[in-house]
Amino acid sequence: EAQVTQNPRYLITVTGKKLTVTCSQNMNHEYMSWYRQDPGLGLRQIYYSMNVEVTDKGDVPEGYKVSRKEKRNFPLILESPSPNQTSLYFCASRAMGGVPQPQHFGDGTRLSIL
Amino acid sequence: GQNIDQPTEMTATEGAIVQINCTYQTSGFNGLFWYQQHAGEAPTFLSYNVLDGLEEKGRFSSFLSRSKGYSYLLLKELQMKDSASYLCAVTPGSNYQLIWGAGTKLIIKP
Repeated sequence: EAQVTQNPRYLITVTGKKLTVTCSQNMNHEYMSWYRQDPGLGLRQIYYSMNVEVTDKGDVPEGYKVSRKEKRNFPLILESPSPNQTSLYFCASRAMGGVPQPQHFGDGTRLSIL
Repeated sequence: GQNIDQPTEMTATEGAIVQINCTYQTSGFNGLFWYQQHAGEAPTFLSYNVLDGLEEKGRFSSFLSRSKGYSYLLLKELQMKDSASYLCAVTPGSNYQLIWGAGTKLIIKP
């Protein structure tokens, strides 16, 4: 089954404790992206990647890191989480080339930073 | 700047028809997407428009007017399960980036 898998689904942690949210897709998509979603603000892009070893900042990259060492994986790293990073996070992927393709989203990760 | 506007919230009655509007001002246009998102869940793809006109998919239809920077999503024969947020997103250029609207929360009443 074609899917984007995020882990963990839920995490409560404390300020300053490094965490990683994993994202993996099995559709051989070149493009992957991370979003955060906060009430009233919609989806805001954090980082995206168009290929292995190629990553770019989105609209709200501060406080986050990503890596793309393999095509299928795109982890999101919070080196020193702060309470303002409490949010619902989504990983997404899509194919590139030709007509723009719809994004496939993971189930989301709800992070609470205390 | 680039901007997408949608109503924040709409209410409709089960069995009725509702139209959710989306207007956009972007540096370019390479297509418009509609997604449905139930509370706490991931967005799921509904439709894609790149040419002017109406695209119909069962109970859902999406319309685009590029000259007016305007799209709408039409939902017919509303069901309670249609209660969700509906997100409009535009691809301005060829680099696969999306500009997202804040979404319209649709409440269906019996």
